Amino acid sequence: GQQVQQSPASLVLQEGENAELQCNFSSTATRLQWFYQHPGGRLVSLFYNPSGTKHTGRLTSTTVTNERRSSLHISSSQTTDSGTYFCGGDSNYQLIWGSGTKLIIKP
Amino acid sequence: GALVYQYPRRTICKSGTSMRMECQAVGFQATSVAWYRQSPQKTFELIALSTVNSAIKYEQNFTQEKFPISHPNLSFSSMTVLNAYLEDRGLYLCGARRAERLFFGHGTKLSVL
Repeated sequence: GQQVQQSPASLVLQEGENAELQCNFSSTATRLQWFYQHPGGRLVSLFYNPSGTKHTGRLTSTTVTNERRSSLHISSSQTTDSGTYFCGGDSNYQLIWGSGTKLIIKP
Repeated sequence: GALVYQYPRRTICKSGTSMRMECQAVGFQATSVAWYRQSPQKTFELIALSTVNSAIKYEQNFTQEKFPISHPNLSFSSMTVLNAYLEDRGLYLCGARRAERLFFGHGTKLSVL
């Protein structure tokens, strides 16, 4: 089966609402990372989060390793948060990618 | 901070011609560089994993003959797409590894006419 699965595939919210993105990973895809891809293609590393909770600005990532899941929470979403969010897990030093969550924030 | 510059950002080439893209890690020394291709459907394919002073490991469906990579030092890598055809279109991304994290730049969007 897929080593890294993301949900939902797409999410449409009004500006100001909170977004919750999920990532489930297999035992062979560890050392979770979250990325944001701009509509133009640039990939930005958001978090390296193999376990626990990390914060940066309005973003929070929580990884529960023994349950093989990670979440990305965006509070008070803004239109500039629109784009695609990927999680990826390391497997033999190769990043196994999830299929992404396309987030659209409407003004 | 860790920055990765990749250029060109966009390129259009005629079918059967070749194009070269470059990847520069700025502010850190990358322990490895991974080249990916992202399809229009947003799925990623690993092309090859390159570590300085080690053999470059190509994934299934990708070969050195088609995608030769040069990785002369810890901050620079280049890849060429030889004899590009329509199926080679996509966004090519280099990921430079710093400790456990991968850092990417803008990618190179390849269009083939």
